[in-house]
Amino acid sequence: EVQLQESGPGLVKPSQSLSLTCSVTGYSITSNYWGWIRKFPGNKMEWMGYISYSGSTSYNPSLKSRISITRDTSKNQFFLQLNSVTTEDTATYYCARCRWYLFPFDYWGQGVMVTVSS
Amino acid sequence: DVQMTQSPSYLAASPGESVSISCKASKSISTYLAWYQEKPGKANKLLIYSGSTLQSGTPSRFSGSGSGTDFTLTIRSLEPEDFTVYYCQHYNEYPLTFGSGTKLEIK
Repeated sequence: EVQLQESGPGLVKPSQSLSLTCSVTGYSITSNYWGWIRKFPGNKMEWMGYISYSGSTSYNPSLKSRISITRDTSKNQFFLQLNSVTTEDTATYYCARCRWYLFPFDYWGQGVMVTVSS
Repeated sequence: DVQMTQSPSYLAASPGESVSISCKASKSISTYLAWYQEKPGKANKLLIYSGSTLQSGTPSRFSGSGSGTDFTLTIRSLEPEDFTVYYCQHYNEYPLTFGSGTKLEIK
């Protein structure tokens, strides 16, 4: 079965970069689409972006040039980097899989809470 | 972006009852609509996709309906494990967007 697990620092200072790892077991990230989603306090959820089986990426325009999603296929991991964070980036961050382009998320990680605070 | 308006935000019901949750899109999304179940400490679960197709493993007491802009998740004969949070999400185009969630509580 496909399993995803997010990891990374739980506390990041404003203006710094947030870096998270999604470790995938049970399936190769060289297939399908792999995304990041976050849930803000108050429960609003936001799709952040994805990296595809080929390594191509797509990002939410709301994040402009602050976001980067990369991968390490040898470790079956993909990564989120969000630059110049503010307190408004405080959220629970999830990684998830889509079977194909414009498909729902059929497997999710449990999420990791990240607080942006000095 | 497509705005997803989900209602109600909170819903109280008793085990054995039936409930419905609404999700309205700001423009037509055909049937590209998914419903998820969220439980603390667990991975979100895809319940329904394509508006009405049950994901493998979803109990038959769950059903989805709708197309275009109006969608409904119905849960019949509520079980204790159903009292949690539900989200809708469209996947008609990028960026994907979610509803604001519905918390189903025991009355």
